[in-house]
Amino acid sequence: EADIYQTPRYLVIGTGKKITLECSQTMGHDKMYWYQQDPGMELHLIHYSYGVNSTEKGDLSSESTVSRIRTEHFPLTLESARPSHTSQYLCASSLSYEQYFGPGTRLTVT
Amino acid sequence: DQQVKQNSPSLSVQEGRISILNCDYTNSMFDYFLWYKKYPAEGPTFLISISSIKDKNEDGRFTVFLNKSAKHLSLHIVPSQPGDSAVYFCAAFLPGTASKLTFGTGTRLQVTL
Repeated sequence: EADIYQTPRYLVIGTGKKITLECSQTMGHDKMYWYQQDPGMELHLIHYSYGVNSTEKGDLSSESTVSRIRTEHFPLTLESARPSHTSQYLCASSLSYEQYFGPGTRLTVT
Repeated sequence: DQQVKQNSPSLSVQEGRISILNCDYTNSMFDYFLWYKKYPAEGPTFLISISSIKDKNEDGRFTVFLNKSAKHLSLHIVPSQPGDSAVYFCAAFLPGTASKLTFGTGTRLQVTL
């Protein structure tokens, strides 16, 4: 059973606010990922990490930033939220090719 | 350029019958293929995978078939159950890319009574 957690599950916030989406995993996986998904669309990779102090931009350009100070923790930050950031954000981790996903954060920016 | 395609956005199947979900890909270097199931407001859940060196993998009610020459894979669910109603994503893994997966757009399966 995969143990990967995301908080908050739902967030409604006003334009211009700074937000941090939390993601933690207890499996000791080196690789972690952030995806963005809009309804009816594929999952788009926005950030990934090979391990501690390693972060890379994904295939979809994003104004968010990430950090990886501890193996188990991979938070995503938006300095100034905009309505275009409204989406579902999914965190995942892996050892090899199979990725385990958290429950996601549904973000709405008004 | 979408490398993994699921051309059927939705599928409706009667309970007890077979569900067949299809996926096409363009990159012959993909090493593994995976199927994920996703309920609304939840994260995707891994279902089953297949290596590029195999043509079939079975796990309970789920079987994945791979046709490398056609660059096509399919997921068979037999028998289909109402709890199978969800969005199914096909994903492909390219070696040497930090385990990044390329996802299709998903197929919404509805299993009716």
